[in-house]
Amino acid sequence: DVKVTQSSRYLVKRTGEKVFLECVQDMDHENMFWYRQDPGLGLRLIYFSYDVKMKEKGDIPEGYSVSREKKERFSLILESASTNQTSMYLCASSLGPQGNQPQHFGDGTRLSIL
Amino acid sequence: GNSVTQMEGPVTLSEEAFLTINCTYTATGYPSLFWYVQYPGEGLQLLLKATKADDKGSNKGFEATYRKETTSFHLEKGSVQVSDSAVYFCALPSTGRRALTFGSGTRLQVQP
Repeated sequence: DVKVTQSSRYLVKRTGEKVFLECVQDMDHENMFWYRQDPGLGLRLIYFSYDVKMKEKGDIPEGYSVSREKKERFSLILESASTNQTSMYLCASSLGPQGNQPQHFGDGTRLSIL
Repeated sequence: GNSVTQMEGPVTLSEEAFLTINCTYTATGYPSLFWYVQYPGEGLQLLLKATKADDKGSNKGFEATYRKETTSFHLEKGSVQVSDSAVYFCALPSTGRRALTFGSGTRLQVQP
């Protein structure tokens, strides 16, 4: 089974801090994704990556950046955290270039910005 | 671009009741369609999928049929259990990128 592991289940940070969320997958998947999940808004795509050092903006990239130095690891960075970034963050991966591949999710990181 | 609309929740049912969660989509062509489930405190899990028109996906007693005539992919289960309480998401491939577009989710609560 595919395993997607997010480094923290819960995280509390302060406004203005630089925050790193880490995600690792163990199935050699090409594609990795970061979403945020908010009540009533479903999942919104922040960034995704289809190869090492490659990234593309999703629907809500403002205030975030990403890093993919190794195929198995995809990091989400909040450059200067703000209270409106309090949310559940979900990492996912999928196998290859076809857009109809199912995605495999981690358990999520619930981030609170105080 | 591709989009999906699913019924708002919450949906509250008694154990052993019949479940339908509606999902309709707008897409170019005939993309694969997915249902995901999110149990409390967890990430999303793939529940079932269908890859072409008239396909029926099924898993854990849940079913959904890909209907191109009505552009729908409704989720059904004949007899729900308390353990089915979760949030259910309908999804399809995004336009022009290797991602999925998700519906807003439907919360199901099953009472004993």
